[in-house]
Amino acid sequence: ETGVTQSPTHLIKTRGQQVTLRCSSQSGHNTVSWYQQALGQGPQFIFQYYREEENGRGNFPPRFSGLQFPNYSSELNVNALELDDSALYLCAILAGGTDTQYFGPGTRLTVL
Amino acid sequence: EDQVTQSPEALRLQEGESSSLNCSYTVSGLRGLFWYRQDPGKGPEFLFTLYSAGEEKEKERLKATLTKKESFLHITAPKPEDSATYLCAVQGYGGSQGNLIFGKGTKLSVKP
Repeated sequence: ETGVTQSPTHLIKTRGQQVTLRCSSQSGHNTVSWYQQALGQGPQFIFQYYREEENGRGNFPPRFSGLQFPNYSSELNVNALELDDSALYLCAILAGGTDTQYFGPGTRLTVL
Repeated sequence: EDQVTQSPEALRLQEGESSSLNCSYTVSGLRGLFWYRQDPGKGPEFLFTLYSAGEEKEKERLKATLTKKESFLHITAPKPEDSATYLCAVQGYGGSQGNLIFGKGTKLSVKP
């Protein structure tokens, strides 16, 4: 049990729509990362937030954006959805004083 | 470019039949190598972190080892409940602390 929760569990959208995914942790960790995992692939780093500021970004276009709130919960926003955005979206918190990331259960996004 | 290659892609074992999974990596300065277990449709579950060549970590039937170019996950006398996809990831000093580079994983099936 990581204490990391994500909502919703599943989501179905159509091409061109916008989506917001949410992540929170019991202990309010100040560093959160988001990953995209396509079927049969390993997770790919989207970006990281540290104390409400973006602190690193992977090879994803600007239509992927994020927020981190004062309580350290986080959102991932994706605009102008494309079919290839269908994937499992994972958030991960960085355990304090370590390099270890603990993942939430993920949100399965399907774009039709 | 940082890269992780896992082999084999899939592995079928009989209960009690020990084996090893391989993770080869290239990274510009290894900060850490991570092993995760992932069940279908779930988020990755943290297993081990290794930091330097020669390091070993154990947990129940699993043992992870690290050299300068690869890591092995040894599974001793596996049980059906060990069936899952095992993911290897590296973190280099060049990227942000949240940026894990994952392999595609090895899907392990253990038959009773």
